Amino acid sequence: GDSVTQMEGPVTLSEEAFLTINCTYTATGYPSLFWYVQYPGEGLQLLLKATKADDKGSNKGFEATYRKETTSFHLEKGSVQVSDSAVYFCALTITGGFKTIFGAGTRLFVKA
Amino acid sequence: EPEVTQTPSHQVTQMGQEVILRCVPISNHLYFYWYRQILGQKVEFLVSFYNNEISEKSEIFDDQFSVERPDGSNFTLKIRSTKLEDSAMYFCASSGHYGYTFGSGTRLTVV
Repeated sequence: GDSVTQMEGPVTLSEEAFLTINCTYTATGYPSLFWYVQYPGEGLQLLLKATKADDKGSNKGFEATYRKETTSFHLEKGSVQVSDSAVYFCALTITGGFKTIFGAGTRLFVKA
Repeated sequence: EPEVTQTPSHQVTQMGQEVILRCVPISNHLYFYWYRQILGQKVEFLVSFYNNEISEKSEIFDDQFSVERPDGSNFTLKIRSTKLEDSAMYFCASSGHYGYTFGSGTRLTVV
């Protein structure tokens, strides 16, 4: 079945460090890929998305590239801030399908 | 930017009671969903709804759960007899041609 696997957390970084959160997927169809962010006590916010191979999604300094050959969608940011501390979820939706499948989430702590 | 609106933001209920969680999807979206996130765990799909009927449901969505679109704007999730393990954040979502949007969630606490 369709699934998303992302690196376990928590990830703890110092401010201005480089961030990578790995995400790989398994899909029977052709998925769209997403990163969602959940700040403490809040709901899910779409961070970025990519709908086809080699697309790069970007937002607020975060980037992820849809790599069909490695079935990956790793999240990166060149310089994290304390305000980036949150849980990050990688997710997919199969084109024409109905549901979004989420990874387990990766908690990021950024220290000042 | 259009939003999916959920009410209430937090609900506390006694075990065995019925609860109704409410959602107002984005107006031109045709597909509606409920998801659940038990504290600290992953977001899980419950049910999808299209054309006034359930299009897919997960094994979590048992007979205690039901969904309804009672009018042209609301989309509700009913839990008939709540259990302690129903305590979770419940997210509504809707999708259309250009996107898939989540609401900010209702935190349900069963005591």
